[in-house]
Amino acid sequence: EDKVVQSPLSLVVHEGDTVTLNCSYEVTNFRSLLWYKQEKKAPTFLFMLTSSGIEKKSGRLSSILDKKELFSILNITATQTGDSAVYLCGAAGGTSYGKLTFGQGTILTVHP
Amino acid sequence: DGGITQSPKYLFRKEGQNVTLSCEQNLNHDAMYWYRQDPGQGLRLIYYSQIVNDFQKGDIAEGYSVSREKKESFPLTVTSAQKNPTAFYLCASSILWNSYGYTFGSGTRLTVV
Repeated sequence: EDKVVQSPLSLVVHEGDTVTLNCSYEVTNFRSLLWYKQEKKAPTFLFMLTSSGIEKKSGRLSSILDKKELFSILNITATQTGDSAVYLCGAAGGTSYGKLTFGQGTILTVHP
Repeated sequence: DGGITQSPKYLFRKEGQNVTLSCEQNLNHDAMYWYRQDPGQGLRLIYYSQIVNDFQKGDIAEGYSVSREKKESFPLTVTSAQKNPTAFYLCASSILWNSYGYTFGSGTRLTVV
């Protein structure tokens, strides 16, 4: 059974802190690892990682994939209150290649 | 603007009733998906459709049904056979079946009363 596990499940920090969110996966026929941010309703796309060891960056957010250890991290530096959200990790693959298996999500709360 | 529209945003259902959630996209995407979100469990796949007139069961299809008669539309029916239907339902689409950058709708919160 395909499985994605995120940690921690929740995290409370203050503005300016740096956070690291973790995602481990066990997915047959693995293709890609995706990160989404869900602020209220609709998750929005952050990163798609396909190659191991290549960091992707967007402003204060960055992510990297380790296909040997079946692991990805999402880093957020200099956090702001607007970063408060649920961060979802999804692994693409499985017996149906188009399918995304999601983790439980990490609830990030950033206090002023 | 292109996007996915889910309606209604909130829905109340009495036990024993079927209810249909609407999902419409104007992105010209081939693939569409329905996910269920419960607290602490992330997103779980209910049904997916790779192309119009085709759909497949996901991980938790029991008690649900779908149709894909038009490319733009992928309605989900929650039947009375679904034992625990209270949840947040998200519809998503992608350009092709194996392109993973999903676009999500804003969701429908279903409550059984």
